[in-house]
Amino acid sequence: SAVISQKPSRDICQRGTSLTIQCQVDSQVTMMFWYRQQPGQSLTLIATANQGSEATYESGFVIDKFPISRPNLTFSTLTVSNLSPEDSSIYLCSVEDARGKLFFGSGTQLSVL
Amino acid sequence: DAKTTQPPSMDCAEGRAANLPCNHSTISGNEYVYWYRQIHSQGPQYIIHGLKNNETNEMASLIITEDRKSSTLILPHATLRDTAVYYCIVRAYNNAGNMLTFGGGTRLMVKP
Repeated sequence: SAVISQKPSRDICQRGTSLTIQCQVDSQVTMMFWYRQQPGQSLTLIATANQGSEATYESGFVIDKFPISRPNLTFSTLTVSNLSPEDSSIYLCSVEDARGKLFFGSGTQLSVL
Repeated sequence: DAKTTQPPSMDCAEGRAANLPCNHSTISGNEYVYWYRQIHSQGPQYIIHGLKNNETNEMASLIITEDRKSSTLILPHATLRDTAVYYCIVRAYNNAGNMLTFGGGTRLMVKP
């Protein structure tokens, strides 16, 4: 199973600023996924990040608001830009193994004041 | 991906079997059934998955009906630490890595 380290685990940010979340995996993976979980809700996929190409965003999510980097096969970042209180959520990165199982990081709890 | 329907919440007595149902009546022939759980404030944890045969591992058993339109996750001896939200997901897996779509899940409360 993949071990995922996600940082920071939580942050409190002022509106209008940005937060960059890092996701480090202990093995090389092709696909990395970023999810958002709003308070009391299920998980919603933001985007899929492939190494060497632009991320693929789901409906309702745009690159200007959620830029993603994927510089190599073990690392990705998600930036949440121009923060507003509505961005207060848990953000999770995940990776997929060869059998289609997803493994998740422990999440980043973001609060926007 | 096909949609799933789960009861929003269930209770179970500690030490008893927890049987969590899931309906996936529009499942396609190449779609697997996956179960994950999320304990408060943590990332979801993989439990088990299957295609048509029943599956068992150290955490749980998965029973899939013959027509594959529904399944049941069984935790044979529920403990207080099994209190979590359980997600049933159907997904066609291929090398393109189709994403998992999470529904509302079932909030399982294991009571002493």
